[in-house]
Amino acid sequence: AQSVTQPDIHITVSEGASLELRCNYSYGATPYLFWYVQSPGQGLQLLLKYFSGDTLVQGIKGFEAEFKRSQSSFNLRKPSVHGSDAAEYFCAVGAISSGSARQLTFGSGTQLTVLP
Amino acid sequence: GAVVSQHPSWVICKSGTSVKIECRSLDFQATTMFWYRQFPKQSLMLMATSNEGSKATYEQGVEKDKFLINHASLTLSTLTVTSAHPEDSSFYICSARDTGTGELFFGEGSRLTVL
Repeated sequence: AQSVTQPDIHITVSEGASLELRCNYSYGATPYLFWYVQSPGQGLQLLLKYFSGDTLVQGIKGFEAEFKRSQSSFNLRKPSVHGSDAAEYFCAVGAISSGSARQLTFGSGTQLTVLP
Repeated sequence: GAVVSQHPSWVICKSGTSVKIECRSLDFQATTMFWYRQFPKQSLMLMATSNEGSKATYEQGVEKDKFLINHASLTLSTLTVTSAHPEDSSFYICSARDTGTGELFFGEGSRLTVL
Protein backbone atom coordinates (compact mmCIF):
# COMPACT_ATOMS: atom_id res chain seq x y z
CA ALA A 1 0.00 0.00 0.00
CA GLN A 2 1.17 3.50 -0.72
CA SER A 3 1.60 6.12 1.99
CA VAL A 4 2.88 9.63 2.40
CA THR A 5 4.44 11.24 5.46
CA GLN A 6 4.79 14.95 5.99
CA PRO A 7 6.77 15.20 9.25
CA ASP A 8 6.14 18.89 9.85
CA ILE A 9 2.61 19.78 10.89
CA HIS A 10 3.30 23.49 11.06
CA ILE A 11 6.18 25.64 9.78
CA THR A 12 6.71 29.35 10.33
CA VAL A 13 9.10 31.39 8.21
CA SER A 14 9.74 35.07 7.71
CA GLU A 15 8.88 36.75 4.45
CA GLY A 16 11.86 36.56 2.10
CA ALA A 17 13.35 33.52 3.80
CA SER A 18 13.81 30.21 2.06
CA LEU A 19 11.43 27.32 2.58
CA GLU A 20 11.65 23.56 2.51
CA LEU A 21 8.69 21.29 3.18
CA ARG A 22 9.47 17.64 3.70
CA CYS A 23 7.69 14.70 2.15
CA ASN A 24 8.52 11.01 2.38
CA TYR A 25 6.62 8.34 0.55
CA SER A 26 6.25 4.60 0.55
CA TYR A 27 5.36 2.91 -2.68
CA GLY A 28 6.31 -0.40 -4.23
CA ALA A 29 6.88 0.82 -7.76
CA THR A 30 7.65 4.03 -9.60
CA PRO A 31 5.63 6.73 -7.86
CA TYR A 32 3.75 9.61 -9.37
CA LEU A 33 4.34 12.46 -6.90
CA PHE A 34 2.49 15.71 -6.43
CA TRP A 35 2.50 18.84 -4.33
CA TYR A 36 -0.76 20.73 -3.85
CA VAL A 37 -1.56 23.95 -2.03
CA GLN A 38 -4.86 24.67 -0.32
CA SER A 39 -6.01 28.06 0.94
CA PRO A 40 -8.64 28.10 3.72
CA GLY A 41 -12.01 26.90 2.50
CA GLN A 42 -10.70 26.29 -0.98
CA GLY A 43 -9.95 23.31 -3.17
CA LEU A 44 -6.54 22.11 -4.18
CA GLN A 45 -4.19 23.78 -6.61
CA LEU A 46 -1.45 21.74 -8.22
CA LEU A 47 2.01 23.22 -7.66
CA LEU A 48 4.06 20.58 -9.45
CA LYS A 49 4.32 16.88 -10.17
CA TYR A 50 6.92 14.25 -10.91
CA PHE A 51 6.53 11.12 -12.98
CA SER A 52 9.87 10.51 -14.62
CA GLY A 53 12.87 12.29 -16.09
CA ASP A 54 14.72 15.14 -14.42
CA THR A 55 14.50 14.68 -10.67
CA LEU A 56 14.35 18.44 -10.06
CA VAL A 57 10.90 19.65 -10.98
CA GLN A 58 9.88 23.26 -11.44
CA GLY A 59 6.37 24.32 -10.58
CA ILE A 60 4.20 27.38 -10.39
CA LYS A 61 4.69 30.34 -8.06
CA GLY A 62 8.45 29.79 -7.91
CA PHE A 63 8.26 26.38 -6.22
CA GLU A 64 10.46 23.43 -7.04
CA ALA A 65 10.79 19.90 -5.71
CA GLU A 66 13.47 17.26 -5.90
CA PHE A 67 12.78 13.55 -6.17
CA LYS A 68 15.34 11.44 -4.32
CA ARG A 69 14.65 7.76 -4.82
CA SER A 70 17.34 6.67 -2.36
CA GLN A 71 15.68 8.68 0.40
CA SER A 72 12.09 8.12 -0.76
CA SER A 73 11.64 11.86 -0.54
CA PHE A 74 10.06 14.61 -2.60
CA ASN A 75 10.75 17.82 -0.71
CA LEU A 76 9.26 21.13 -1.80
CA ARG A 77 11.41 24.24 -1.85
CA LYS A 78 11.13 27.94 -2.53
CA PRO A 79 14.10 30.35 -2.38
CA SER A 80 12.14 33.34 -1.10
CA VAL A 81 8.72 33.11 0.50
CA HIS A 82 5.95 35.68 0.09
CA GLY A 83 3.12 36.42 2.47
CA SER A 84 0.69 35.05 -0.10
CA ASP A 85 2.34 31.63 0.24
CA ALA A 86 0.73 31.11 3.64
CA ALA A 87 -1.50 28.06 3.18
CA GLU A 88 -1.74 24.33 3.72
CA TYR A 89 0.53 22.18 1.58
CA PHE A 90 -0.14 18.57 0.72
CA CYS A 91 2.19 16.01 -0.75
CA ALA A 92 0.53 13.12 -2.57
CA VAL A 93 1.49 9.90 -4.28
CA GLY A 94 -0.47 8.31 -7.05
CA ALA A 95 -0.47 4.82 -8.43
CA ILE A 96 0.46 4.51 -12.05
CA SER A 97 -1.95 2.97 -14.49
CA SER A 98 -1.52 3.17 -18.23
CA GLY A 99 0.98 5.99 -17.84
CA SER A 100 -1.20 8.23 -15.76
CA ALA A 101 -2.14 8.60 -12.14
CA ARG A 102 -5.15 7.01 -10.56
CA GLN A 103 -6.43 7.97 -7.14
CA LEU A 104 -4.04 9.83 -4.90
CA THR A 105 -2.95 9.19 -1.34
CA PHE A 106 -2.33 12.40 0.54
CA GLY A 107 0.00 13.27 3.35
CA SER A 108 -1.36 14.90 6.48
CA GLY A 109 -0.39 18.35 5.27
CA THR A 110 1.94 21.12 6.46
CA GLN A 111 0.52 24.46 7.50
CA LEU A 112 2.78 27.32 6.46
CA THR A 113 2.70 30.62 8.32
CA VAL A 114 4.64 33.56 6.90
CA LEU A 115 5.70 36.35 9.24
CA PRO A 116 5.93 39.88 7.81
CA GLY B 1 -6.70 25.07 -18.11
CA ALA B 2 -9.15 22.36 -17.28
CA VAL B 3 -11.76 23.23 -14.68
CA VAL B 4 -13.74 21.06 -12.33
CA SER B 5 -16.79 22.70 -10.86
CA GLN B 6 -18.48 21.65 -7.65
CA HIS B 7 -21.94 22.77 -6.68
CA PRO B 8 -23.00 23.86 -4.18
CA SER B 9 -19.84 25.29 -2.65
CA TRP B 10 -21.57 25.64 0.71
CA VAL B 11 -24.72 23.95 2.00
CA ILE B 12 -26.46 23.89 5.35
CA CYS B 13 -29.15 21.32 5.98
CA LYS B 14 -31.21 19.88 8.80
CA SER B 15 -30.44 16.52 10.31
CA GLY B 16 -32.27 13.73 8.51
CA THR B 17 -32.39 15.39 5.11
CA SER B 18 -30.42 14.39 2.03
CA VAL B 19 -27.98 16.59 0.19
CA LYS B 20 -26.66 16.24 -3.34
CA ILE B 21 -23.28 17.59 -4.40
CA GLU B 22 -22.37 17.84 -8.07
CA CYS B 23 -18.91 17.49 -9.61
CA ARG B 24 -18.70 18.60 -13.19
CA SER B 25 -15.78 18.65 -15.61
CA LEU B 26 -16.29 21.74 -17.72
CA ASP B 27 -14.01 21.28 -20.71
CA PHE B 28 -12.96 17.66 -20.73
CA GLN B 29 -14.46 14.21 -20.39
CA ALA B 30 -13.87 12.27 -17.21
CA THR B 31 -14.55 8.57 -17.20
CA THR B 32 -13.28 8.45 -13.64
CA MET B 33 -13.89 10.85 -10.79
CA PHE B 34 -12.85 10.61 -7.15
CA TRP B 35 -14.60 11.82 -4.04
CA TYR B 36 -12.62 12.89 -0.99
CA ARG B 37 -13.61 14.01 2.46
CA GLN B 38 -11.61 16.44 4.52
CA PHE B 39 -12.14 17.17 8.19
CA PRO B 40 -10.93 20.50 9.61
CA LYS B 41 -7.16 20.76 9.68
CA GLN B 42 -6.79 17.24 8.37
CA SER B 43 -5.81 15.63 5.11
CA LEU B 44 -8.03 14.39 2.32
CA MET B 45 -9.37 10.89 2.66
CA LEU B 46 -10.49 9.04 -0.43
CA MET B 47 -14.12 7.96 -0.09
CA ALA B 48 -14.86 6.39 -3.43
CA THR B 49 -13.95 6.12 -7.07
CA SER B 50 -16.75 7.01 -9.44
CA ASN B 51 -16.81 5.34 -12.86
CA GLU B 52 -19.05 6.52 -15.65
CA GLY B 53 -21.79 4.02 -16.40
CA SER B 54 -20.94 1.62 -13.60
CA LYS B 55 -21.09 1.32 -9.85
CA ALA B 56 -18.74 3.32 -7.71
CA THR B 57 -15.94 1.64 -5.80
CA TYR B 58 -15.98 2.57 -2.13
CA GLU B 59 -13.03 2.65 0.24
CA GLN B 60 -13.09 0.48 3.31
CA GLY B 61 -15.23 1.95 6.04
CA VAL B 62 -17.30 4.19 3.76
CA GLU B 63 -21.00 3.36 3.80
CA LYS B 64 -22.22 3.08 0.23
CA ASP B 65 -25.86 3.41 1.27
CA LYS B 66 -25.00 6.58 3.13
CA PHE B 67 -22.96 8.19 0.41
CA LEU B 68 -24.65 7.52 -2.91
CA ILE B 69 -22.56 8.16 -5.98
CA ASN B 70 -23.90 8.44 -9.49
CA HIS B 71 -21.75 9.01 -12.57
CA ALA B 72 -24.32 9.15 -15.32
CA SER B 73 -22.33 11.07 -17.91
CA LEU B 74 -18.73 11.70 -18.89
CA THR B 75 -18.81 15.14 -17.32
CA LEU B 76 -20.89 14.74 -14.18
CA SER B 77 -20.68 12.78 -10.96
CA THR B 78 -22.93 13.35 -7.98
CA LEU B 79 -22.51 12.52 -4.32
CA THR B 80 -25.69 12.31 -2.26
CA VAL B 81 -25.36 12.28 1.50
CA THR B 82 -28.51 10.51 2.65
CA SER B 83 -30.20 11.13 5.99
CA ALA B 84 -27.44 13.52 6.95
CA HIS B 85 -26.34 13.85 10.57
CA PRO B 86 -24.06 16.40 12.21
CA GLU B 87 -21.12 13.99 12.03
CA ASP B 88 -21.42 14.13 8.23
CA SER B 89 -20.46 17.80 8.34
CA SER B 90 -17.25 18.08 6.39
CA PHE B 91 -15.52 19.45 3.32
CA TYR B 92 -16.10 17.24 0.30
CA ILE B 93 -13.74 17.51 -2.66
CA CYS B 94 -13.94 15.79 -6.01
CA SER B 95 -11.28 15.22 -8.61
CA ALA B 96 -11.77 14.29 -12.23
CA ARG B 97 -9.39 12.39 -14.43
CA ASP B 98 -9.17 13.69 -17.99
CA THR B 99 -9.94 10.64 -20.11
CA GLY B 100 -7.73 11.89 -22.92
CA THR B 101 -4.60 12.98 -21.03
CA GLY B 102 -4.90 11.14 -17.71
CA GLU B 103 -4.40 14.40 -15.81
CA LEU B 104 -6.17 14.85 -12.49
CA PHE B 105 -7.99 18.07 -11.68
CA PHE B 106 -9.61 19.04 -8.40
CA GLY B 107 -12.81 20.89 -7.71
CA GLU B 108 -13.03 23.78 -5.28
CA GLY B 109 -14.78 21.68 -2.67
CA SER B 110 -18.21 21.71 -1.06
CA ARG B 111 -18.67 22.47 2.61
CA LEU B 112 -21.56 20.61 4.22
CA THR B 113 -22.90 21.68 7.59
CA VAL B 114 -25.61 19.53 9.13
CA LEU B 115 -27.57 21.14 11.94
